[in-house]
Formats: sequence, C-alpha cells, structure tokens
Amino acid sequence: ETGVTQTPRHLVMGMTNKKSLKCEQHLGHNAMYWYKQSAKKPLELMFVYNFKEQTENNSVPSRFSPECPNSSHLFLHLHTLQPEDSALYLCASSLRQAALNTEAFFGQGTRLTVV
Amino acid sequence: LAKTTQPISMDSYEGQEVNITCSHNNIATNDYITWYQQFPSQGPRFIIQGYKTKVTNEVASLFIPADRKSSTLSLPRVSLSDTAVYYCLVGENNNDMRFGAGTRLTVKP
Repeated sequence: ETGVTQTPRHLVMGMTNKKSLKCEQHLGHNAMYWYKQSAKKPLELMFVYNFKEQTENNSVPSRFSPECPNSSHLFLHLHTLQPEDSALYLCASSLRQAALNTEAFFGQGTRLTVV
Repeated sequence: LAKTTQPISMDSYEGQEVNITCSHNNIATNDYITWYQQFPSQGPRFIIQGYKTKVTNEVASLFIPADRKSSTLSLPRVSLSDTAVYYCLVGENNNDMRFGAGTRLTVKP
C-alpha cells in the first residue's frame, strides 16, 4: 500500500464509450502524474500537475483529458479510445515541484482494455 | 533532459551482489539520480536517490563517481523476489519524471 489509490483496477470499454479513471492520495503531496504503460514497453509520462496546474503534457492525444480538481485527486477522462490505447495506466504523486530529490509514490494502476 | 542508458537485461543467482550501471553523460549540475523498481502489473517503487559519491539505505547502495556521468545501483545478496525491472532516472524537477526502458533483472535459484 503506497497511499495512492486508483480506481477502477480493471476497465473494459468500447471505442465509443466515455469513462474516467480516478486517482486519490492523502499523503500531502501537491504533484500528481499520469503514466501509460503498454505491454512490454517503458512507462510513458502523459501529464504532470503541480498544485492543480498542468505543467506537462507529453503530446497526448485529446481523447485523453486530465482533470485535477484539487491536490488530492486526479482524473483521466477517456473518450473514443482506440484498441492501441489498451494499457496499464498509472498514477503517481510526489511533493510539489521538488527537485527530483524526492520520491514518487505510484498507485497499483488501472488495466484498461479497449474493445 | 539527460538521456540515460542501461543494460536491457541481467541475470544473477540468489545470494549474489548485483550491480546495475546507468550512463548519463550529459547530466546537468542540478540533476539528481533516482532508481526505481517495478514488478509486473504494478507501479514502480522508489529504491534510492543520490547526487554524488555514495548513498546507502536498507535495500541498496548507489555509487556515483566524481564526474557524475554514470551511476551504479548495488543490490546486496539478491533473492528471487528481487526479479524486476530497474529504472534509472536523471533530472532536476518532477517534469523530468521520465522512465527509460530499464534493466530487467532475473534472479535464478
């Protein structure tokens, strides 16, 4: 248990569906991240939020829409996804914009399958 | 952003010491070096972090030479449960939280 909780753990959705992934932490962190990890590939950084402000968007397609209503919650809204978007989506949190001399805590991830 | 290079895979046996080296030739003055461990279908877990010289904690040691162009993660007396992918990250702030391919360590009995 890392203190970062992701729901749901598993999700199957059709290409025309709209769904949302949720991430929650109560560690007092002010930075939150979304990553995508496809099968046998490295983690891809998607979005970074610091104090609810998006500070990094790693050229992610608009069918992925992040939302950070407060420092404890992060959402990833999904719309008209493609089968190649099937992956493990990981959320992480850390102290706000600290130098990299701080550790990030990861959730268990949401295993997404697009059919 | 400093690019990192690690061996793709390594094999070891239980009880041995494992050293995984990461090259980061263009590391910047303000960059830190951080290592994470990842098991299948789980999020990465922080192992250790350093800026220079040597850092040791309860699970690993990190050796960084004076020029900081490389670093070595040392895992003492590995067990089967240390089989995982190990990532080296180099950067200054959390927008640099980018993972490369990592090193897949397989510990054999």
